[in-house]
Amino acid sequence: AQSVSQHNHHVILSEAASLELGCNYSYGGTVNLFWYVQYPGQHLQLLLKYFSGDPLVKGIKGFEAEFIKSKFSFNLRKPSVQWSDTAEYFCAVVMDTGRRALTFGSGTRLQVQP
Amino acid sequence: EAGVAQSPRYKIIEKRQSVAFWCNPISGHATLYWYQQILGQGPKLLIQFQNNGVVDDSQLPKDRFSAERLKGVDSTLKIQPAKLEDSAVYLCASSSGTSPTDTQYFGPGTRLTVL
Repeated sequence: AQSVSQHNHHVILSEAASLELGCNYSYGGTVNLFWYVQYPGQHLQLLLKYFSGDPLVKGIKGFEAEFIKSKFSFNLRKPSVQWSDTAEYFCAVVMDTGRRALTFGSGTRLQVQP
Repeated sequence: EAGVAQSPRYKIIEKRQSVAFWCNPISGHATLYWYQQILGQGPKLLIQFQNNGVVDDSQLPKDRFSAERLKGVDSTLKIQPAKLEDSAVYLCASSSGTSPTDTQYFGPGTRLTVL
């Protein structure tokens, strides 16, 4: 069964710092990759997704992620964070065959200090 | 467009009691999911419906959990009897189709506390 690892459980940054959140998955076949975000008091919402083509994908609010197949990774980046980016970030994967539901990582709580 | 609706938002029960959660997906969405999110963990799939048929319930504890999606629209998830370890947020999500690239849209969740 596939699994997703997010090694950074809690990240604290100052405004304008650069962000990179790690995500690794374990599945040898074709995967579709997602980053979801949950702002305080709000529901999970899609930040970006990758399923084919350019491995560098851009999402909402200036976020981007790079799919590196050889490393089974899909790290999330943002060059300059804002206080409003304070949230929990979840990486998730869906296999191209079989189960269609998302398999989530355990999440990374990002705290941006003004 | 309206998002995924869930009720209640919060529920506190004692162990061995029963509880039910309701979900109304985005209009026209064929696929509906129920996830369980335990504190400090990512959401985990409990059951997936396509229209009113079950696609995947391999991780649903069927001795105590049940779910249905009548008429392929609303869905209910029931726990009977509840255990302490069922304390979690129960999330409902929907997507327009069954493609693995489809975006899943999540509701606000129901936070269940079992005492």
